[in-house]
Amino acid sequence: DIQMTQSPSTLSASVGDRVTITCRASQSVSSWLAWYQQKPGRAPKLLIYTASSLESGVPSRFSGSGSETEFTLTISSLQPDDFATYYCQQYKSYPLAFGGGTKVEI
Amino acid sequence: EAQLLESGGGLIQSGGSLRLSCAASGFTFSNYAMNWVRQAPGKGLEWVSVISGSGHYTYYAASVEGRLTISRDNSKNTLYLQMNSLRADDTAVYYCAKSCSASNCHRFDAWGQGTLVTVSS
Repeated sequence: DIQMTQSPSTLSASVGDRVTITCRASQSVSSWLAWYQQKPGRAPKLLIYTASSLESGVPSRFSGSGSETEFTLTISSLQPDDFATYYCQQYKSYPLAFGGGTKVEI
Repeated sequence: EAQLLESGGGLIQSGGSLRLSCAASGFTFSNYAMNWVRQAPGKGLEWVSVISGSGHYTYYAASVEGRLTISRDNSKNTLYLQMNSLRADDTAVYYCAKSCSASNCHRFDAWGQGTLVTVSS
């Protein structure tokens, strides 16, 4: 099974900051990697797919990069609406797996 | 726009059974694989199961294999999760989530609002 590890688990930042979250896979997932944003009490929302493709309607301040086992999600200029928890997910093989999450807080 | 609406959650005793439903609209249901993803209170996301668009194949997380069964009725645009032999660690919000193709693309581009299952010991 492929294990997904995110770092950091919590990140303190301010509005306007550039924020980077890392996701590592225990084996290659090629580019089959997605990123989601989840706010308290809400369902997750797809942000990025195939490692670097921006989902329709997602602001361009979000970007993804990486391949094989190492990936990053970058928020170029943090906005008040971006304070949330972010998850990566591999969809190369079963069982599908999420990272443990990164909470972005003030 | 795809819309998903879960129902069927509630409080159940350990060892009991429950069936969750997810009503889909806004897309051609049979053209997409569907999933269940759960989230224990205060914890991260855990993928549970997937079913292909046709319903011909299914996969499960090891933690639920043999106890939870995914199914679908394409004539009713509805996804199901039959939950048997429930344990306290099955307590979670259960989300249905739409895959990006019928069989081999499993990023989740639409989610329901979730339904809470609480298993009491």
